[in-house]
Amino acid sequence: ETGVTQSPTHLIKTRGQQVTLRCSSQSGHNTVSWYQQALGQGPQFIFQYYREEENGRGNFPPRFSGLQFPNYSSELNVNALELDDSALYLCASQPRTNLPTDTQYFGPGTRLTVL
Amino acid sequence: AQTVTQSQPEMSVQEAETVTLSCTYDTSESDYYLFWYKQPPSRQMILVIRQEAYKQQNATENRFSVNFQKAAKSFSLKISDSQLGDAAMYFCAYRSWKDQFYFGTGTSLTVIP
Repeated sequence: ETGVTQSPTHLIKTRGQQVTLRCSSQSGHNTVSWYQQALGQGPQFIFQYYREEENGRGNFPPRFSGLQFPNYSSELNVNALELDDSALYLCASQPRTNLPTDTQYFGPGTRLTVL
Repeated sequence: AQTVTQSQPEMSVQEAETVTLSCTYDTSESDYYLFWYKQPPSRQMILVIRQEAYKQQNATENRFSVNFQKAAKSFSLKISDSQLGDAAMYFCAYRSWKDQFYFGTGTSLTVIP
């Protein structure tokens, strides 16, 4: 277990709806990254939050947005859901000390199905 | 942009034998980190091993070791004495100086009893 938790575990939505996914980072970690993992693919970077500010974004449209809270937990919001948004959404936290030991620790993921 | 390529979608190994998973990457950066992650069917990604690009010595973690060839941009994972619990999806990942991670498409490892 990495100490990173995500909720909910599974979620079913319909096209056009909005969804919020949540992540609690490991204690002492101030950086959270979100990834989308389509079936049979590797994780694709969505964005990263460092101390409540967005710190980099992958090739995802603006309807993917996020927040990080003072306790470093984070939310991923997706508006106007599309069928292709169906995927496993992974959250990863890291201490961001710029040391070689900086490594991302992943949560178990949220499986989102869009019908 | 950085890309990570895993050319072996599936691999299999006999229990107790050794297997090597391949990974190549493309980057113009000189300083970066490389990782291998394991994703079992339970789907939680678990760090297997990490390599700093500035280190010439290959990283080793118990039965897991890497062959890091910086000039060739190659980063393979060797699993010795394979165990049934090693069966999983293995992802190679690159961490850029901007602290962003890029993953390959994964190699599914089957361990045959």
